[in-house]
Amino acid sequence: DTGVSQNPRHKITKRGQNVTFRCDPISEHNRLYWYRQTLGQGPEFLTYFQNEAQLEKSRLLSDRFSAERPKGSFSTLEIQRTEQGDSAMYLCASSPRLSTLEVDTQYFGPGTRLTVL
Amino acid sequence: GQQVMQIPQYQHVQEGEDFTTYCNSSTTLSNIQWYKQRPGGHPVFLIQLVKSGEVKKQKRLTFQFGEAKKNSSLHITATQTTDVGTYFCAGRRGSSNTGKLIFGQGTTLQVKP
Repeated sequence: DTGVSQNPRHKITKRGQNVTFRCDPISEHNRLYWYRQTLGQGPEFLTYFQNEAQLEKSRLLSDRFSAERPKGSFSTLEIQRTEQGDSAMYLCASSPRLSTLEVDTQYFGPGTRLTVL
Repeated sequence: GQQVMQIPQYQHVQEGEDFTTYCNSSTTLSNIQWYKQRPGGHPVFLIQLVKSGEVKKQKRLTFQFGEAKKNSSLHITATQTTDVGTYFCAGRRGSSNTGKLIFGQGTTLQVKP
C-alpha cells in the first residue's frame, strides 16, 4: 500500500487557463475528499465522494470548480479559468469502509501546489 | 457558518517545556480529530475523540474532548525537537461519523534545542 498519491505535485499556470489534478486514493478506500490549503490556514473542505457519488460540495466552491470520480477509484479536480486567488495547495484524502459505530479518519496525500500567475 | 478556532497560532518553547493548544467550536461536534503537519508535509492523523469528556494519551501527548463536545485540547509534555510542526484540530457537526471535516487554523510549534 503506497498511500494516497496526487499528480502533479506542482502546477504553474497563467490566469485564465484550465488545470486538472488527479488523486489516487488508498486501494479499497471508498471515500475520497478534496481540500484546499493556503499558507497559515487549515485545510478547507471542497467536496467529498462515497464511491462514485459526490455527496457534498462546499458552497465556497464556484462553478469554475468541478470534481469527478467516475469509477469510484481515482478522482480528478478541474479548475476552469483560473484566477490568482486559486493559488493554494490542493489536498486529497481517502478513508476506508466503516462499520456503523466507527468514525472515519482521513489519510492525506502530498498535495498539488497550484500557482496562478 | 460553523467555525473551529484554535489558539495560539504560534508557540515557541524550549526543549523540555510543555505545550498546549486549544480548539473551540461554535457548535456541538460529533467527534474531533487531531492532525500534525510537518513543514512542507501533509496532515497526518494523530487521534480521534468521540465521547463527551473523553481523554486519550499517546506517550507524551494528551488529548481531551470537552463535556459539551465544543472544545478540545492537545497537551505535549516535555517537548522534543521532533514535535515541531503544525497541529490541527478538525471536527464534524451534528451526529455524522463521515464526511466533511472542519479544520481549525492550526497551532505551529517551534522547539528550541
